[in-house]
Amino acid sequence: EAQVTQNPRYLITVTGKKLTVTCSQNMNHEYMSWYRQDPGLGLRQIYYSMNVEVTDKGDVPEGYKVSRKEKRNFPLILESPSPNQTSLYFCASIGTSGSSGYEQYFGPGTRLTVT
Amino acid sequence: GQQLNQSPQSMFIQEGEDVSMNCTSSSIFNTWLWYKQDPGEGPVLLIALYKAGELTSNGRLTAQFGITRKDSFLNISASIPSDVGIYFCAGQLRTDSWGKLQFGAGTQVVVTP
Repeated sequence: EAQVTQNPRYLITVTGKKLTVTCSQNMNHEYMSWYRQDPGLGLRQIYYSMNVEVTDKGDVPEGYKVSRKEKRNFPLILESPSPNQTSLYFCASIGTSGSSGYEQYFGPGTRLTVT
Repeated sequence: GQQLNQSPQSMFIQEGEDVSMNCTSSSIFNTWLWYKQDPGEGPVLLIALYKAGELTSNGRLTAQFGITRKDSFLNISASIPSDVGIYFCAGQLRTDSWGKLQFGAGTQVVVTP
């Protein structure tokens, strides 16, 4: 079954305490992305990766880091979280299939609260 | 920043009615995508559009890639209660690399019996 998994699903932390949200996909997709979702703003792309060791900034990269050492994993790192990073985060992978063309799967989301 | 204008922001419709929503931009897009998000879950890709003028259906859903490449439309015919959710458009700008997407703010759809 095609799947994107994220961990943790919920996290409450304090300002300045480094954290990592993991993301893993089992579809061998080249592209992976991180988004944050805030009320009234839809989804905003934080970072995306075109393949192993290839990443680029999305629209709101400040305060975040990513790495892509393996094709299946794309962790999101907050070195020094701040309250304005309180949000719902989604990881996604993108690939193509011969029959259906473009395919994209989102993870279940990680709700982060920074106090 | 956000370059897609999605409207309407919300819709309250009766079961059986048709629903229309659209996304517009001042920029040219190479790809348009439509998603649905149920409460507490991640978005699910409904339809992907690749060419200007393209019209694609997925069951009761029909989406079109505008001829100017600056807009897209999604129609839901004969709505049912499970159509409730937030619908998002997204697109890849002509000037951006593949995989970099812009999202609209979403259309909240509420279906009443």
